[in-house]
Amino acid sequence: QVRLVESGGGVVQPGMSLRLSCAASGLSLERYAFHWVRQAPGKGLEWVAVMAFDGSDEYYADSVKGRFTISRDNAKNRLSLQMNSLRPEDTAIYYCSRDVGGRYIVGNSDLWGRGTLVTVSS
Amino acid sequence: IVLTQSPGTLSLSPGERATLSCRASESLRNNYLAWYQQKPGQAPRLLIYAASSRATDIPDRFSGSGSGTDFTLTISSLEPEDFAVYYCQQYGISPPYSFGQGTKLEFK
Repeated sequence: QVRLVESGGGVVQPGMSLRLSCAASGLSLERYAFHWVRQAPGKGLEWVAVMAFDGSDEYYADSVKGRFTISRDNAKNRLSLQMNSLRPEDTAIYYCSRDVGGRYIVGNSDLWGRGTLVTVSS
Repeated sequence: IVLTQSPGTLSLSPGERATLSCRASESLRNNYLAWYQQKPGQAPRLLIYAASSRATDIPDRFSGSGSGTDFTLTISSLEPEDFAVYYCQQYGISPPYSFGQGTKLEFK
């Protein structure tokens, strides 16, 4: 079964760091670009970051640029999001998702994980 | 690119036709607009891509149309499982790949 499973969420204080992971099963991570998308409680979707299939390109939303870093380990079939200098407004469910474009970044997603909740609060 | 969805909430009954709108602040090249459905506690599900192409396993009661800056998602005859929140997303040339604020489709 093809699935994505996020982990690593939790409660952290402002200014702290957290690392999220997304494990892929039933598919080979190296064949696709992947995104992180977040959703604040009761709010809409916000695109966060994307990384190309081989890690050669990465892009970020302005709201997280310089604080978040997306990475991937194709050998372990795992995507990560390192989040530093966290702010209360980063509180959200974080989803990883597979880009529809295969090896090319197209920008929309056809497979999503169930998400992991990050809460930034003192 | 800013996407504005309307209405914010749409109250309809099963069997009725739903029309959801998404307007972009500038023209979308290649009409690269997607629609997603999200139910409470679930991840989004891709319904439509490139404005009018249905994703895999999406029922044909869902259809997308539009071009340039104005796009529409139509559900021809609502089923009980269609009541959810719907988001549009623009994508393509370069990030950021922004989403609209969502339309909640609720039981009347």
